[in-house]
Amino acid sequence: GDSVTQMEGPVTLSEEAFLTINCTYTATGYPSLFWYVQYPGEGLQLLLKATKADDKGSNKGFEATYRKETTSFHLEKGSVQVSDSAVYFCALSASGGGADGLTFGKGTHLIIQP
Amino acid sequence: NAGVTQTPKFRILKIGQSMTLQCTQDMNHNYMYWYRQDPGMGLKLIYYSVGAGITDKGEVPNGYNVSRSTTEDFPLRLELAAPSQTSVYFCASSPGRDGGDTQYFGPGTRLTVL
Repeated sequence: GDSVTQMEGPVTLSEEAFLTINCTYTATGYPSLFWYVQYPGEGLQLLLKATKADDKGSNKGFEATYRKETTSFHLEKGSVQVSDSAVYFCALSASGGGADGLTFGKGTHLIIQP
Repeated sequence: NAGVTQTPKFRILKIGQSMTLQCTQDMNHNYMYWYRQDPGMGLKLIYYSVGAGITDKGEVPNGYNVSRSTTEDFPLRLELAAPSQTSVYFCASSPGRDGGDTQYFGPGTRLTVL
C-alpha cells in the first residue's frame, strides 16, 4: 500500500537557519503530495501542495518540489522564525478522486530557538 | 465562515461506555473524513464519506461507526469504549473534485478512555 516516510524529530534550529525536512513516498500511479502544519493544540492546516511531477508548492517562505524520479517532496525554508515551531506532516493522496483520504507520515516536530 | 467544527473538545470515558463525536462543515463539501492521531504518529483514516448516505471504511474502522444523513454532518460513534481508543480525533472535509483537493481539518477532540 501507499506510505510516507519523513525524518524523525525533534529538529531543533536557531532562528534564521536554513530548514530541510525530508519526505519520501511509495505509491502507485500519480499521487498528489501535501505538507500540513499543526500548531500546539490545533488541527492541521495545509501549508503547501503539488499535484504533478516537477510542480513546486510554496507558501509563507516554505517550498517543496514534487520529484517523481526520487519519489520525494522535501520541505525547505531559507530562514526560519520562532513562529515556525510546530509539527509538520507530509502526506499523499492516491491518484484518482481522493475519496479514500490522505496517507500521512509520522510528523516532524520543529523547534526554533531565538 | 466556521469551516469544520467538532464537539466536544475533550472527553473522558470509562471502559464500556459509548459516545458520539460530532462534526459539522459549512463549506458544502462532498467528502468528509474521520482520522485518529496517536502520540508520535501520523493520522490514520477511520471512515470516510463521499456524500450523504454513503460511507466506507478506512484503515482503522474497528470499534467505530459513522452515518451521513446530511451533507453538513458526519458523526462518529464509539461503542463499548476501550483504552486503545484513547486518541485525538480529527474530522476533515474536501470538495471532492479530485485527489489534489485540500482537506480542511477541525480542531480535534481529545478522548481518554480509562
